[in-house]
Amino acid sequence: DADVTQTPRNRITKTGKRIMLECSQTKGHDRMYWYRQDPGLGLRLIYYSFDVKDINKGEISDGYSVSRQAQAKFSLSLESAIPNQTALYFCATSDSRELNSPLHFGNGTRLTVT
Amino acid sequence: DQQVKQNSPSLSVQEGRISILNCDYTNSMFDYFLWYKKYPAEGPTFLISISSIKDKNEDGRFTVFLNKSAKHLSLHIVPSQPGDSAVYFCAASAEGTYKYIFGTGTRLKVLA
Repeated sequence: DADVTQTPRNRITKTGKRIMLECSQTKGHDRMYWYRQDPGLGLRLIYYSFDVKDINKGEISDGYSVSRQAQAKFSLSLESAIPNQTALYFCATSDSRELNSPLHFGNGTRLTVT
Repeated sequence: DQQVKQNSPSLSVQEGRISILNCDYTNSMFDYFLWYKKYPAEGPTFLISISSIKDKNEDGRFTVFLNKSAKHLSLHIVPSQPGDSAVYFCAASAEGTYKYIFGTGTRLKVLA
């Protein structure tokens, strides 16, 4: 979904480094999410935010932090990257104006921690 | 504890035949269910959804069936096409949470 843009698309970093993944959207949605995908484990929720002042932990938030800088921007940080954080990361949005609003995903960031 | 389960990691189907993908859930508070399709190097794309007040929802070649008593949903694709080859994820959300829990995915291969 081109309306949800993730940068970078690929990143290789070393153990112990701080890294930030960025997400911006032009859909005008207020809800934003970060998921990671691992082989055999599907998509797991890391953090989610329903507006600029609302941040919630998901299923696997340990080792991650987030910042909702504006309604359109939601970034994910790894303060000290470790190899088991190697995964595909997806940002998603949904619209609170719809009773049942599906998630709209970006194209992902492939992160490798060596 | 896996609240949403897709027990078949992969499925192969002949072009033109029906593809049936299955999903089970354990949380009785889930009331909204979705299916996503994912191609390599792309994000998941929303396919079809169903609310717990219904037992069937249809959109073109795609139909989702919900059996609340069995805590089971399925996605039927008829007729299957080679372009349907992708990984399919089911997801569920409980009312008021707006938090979506995903299954582990099923890789569908449609053979020409």
